[in-house]
Amino acid sequence: AQSVTQLGSHVSVSEGALVLLRCNYSSSVPPYLFWYVQYPNQGLQLLLKYTSAATLVKGINGFEAEFKKSETSFHLTKPSAHMSDAAEYFCAVRGSGWGAQKLVFGQGTRLTINP
Amino acid sequence: DAGVTQSPTHLIKTRGQQVTLRCSPKSGHDTVSWYQQALGQGPQFIFQYYEEEERQRGNFPDRFSGHQFPNYSSELNVNALLLGDSALYLCASSSPTSVGGALPYEQYFGPGTRLTVT
Repeated sequence: AQSVTQLGSHVSVSEGALVLLRCNYSSSVPPYLFWYVQYPNQGLQLLLKYTSAATLVKGINGFEAEFKKSETSFHLTKPSAHMSDAAEYFCAVRGSGWGAQKLVFGQGTRLTINP
Repeated sequence: DAGVTQSPTHLIKTRGQQVTLRCSPKSGHDTVSWYQQALGQGPQFIFQYYEEEERQRGNFPDRFSGHQFPNYSSELNVNALLLGDSALYLCASSSPTSVGGALPYEQYFGPGTRLTVT
């Protein structure tokens, strides 16, 4: 079985400050890991994904995440927050074989940016 | 290239009624998955359709059913609606092959249908 835990349902940072959103995963097989962003009243947009090709993954909008197997973590970071980053962020995990395509999501972290 | 589309955008129903939500997959995709996202929660997997058959199912009651058509579009049906069925319903499409840097079965999400049950 696979699961993800997002630490912190709300994170608030100042504009220009570092953004750090935490995600820990549990998986019995080598996982694929994803970060999605959801703006109000919209669907999910893929920010980045880990596929075992590289442990440091760069995504859109200046976000990146590092896969740490020893810590079972896949935290999302951005060096300098922008007002437009305010949204809900979801970490998700899935397996790699047939029958393992369903995504298992965390509870989400709401990011607020203070001017 | 049209992405995943869903209809309707919003829907209001009364307890006990039935509802049908629709999804058209991204061009080139043949697999459709449905997720329920309750307010303040992460999406939860309902089921997945491939070759017009339900292939995987999450922990949802039989009141939730679906269908996939020969053109790969899909419907989600919910019978005997409960207040707790109020949620954003997301459709995601994918392909078993890797195209343009995407993973096999990498899911692309539609904008969702907001269902309110009163």
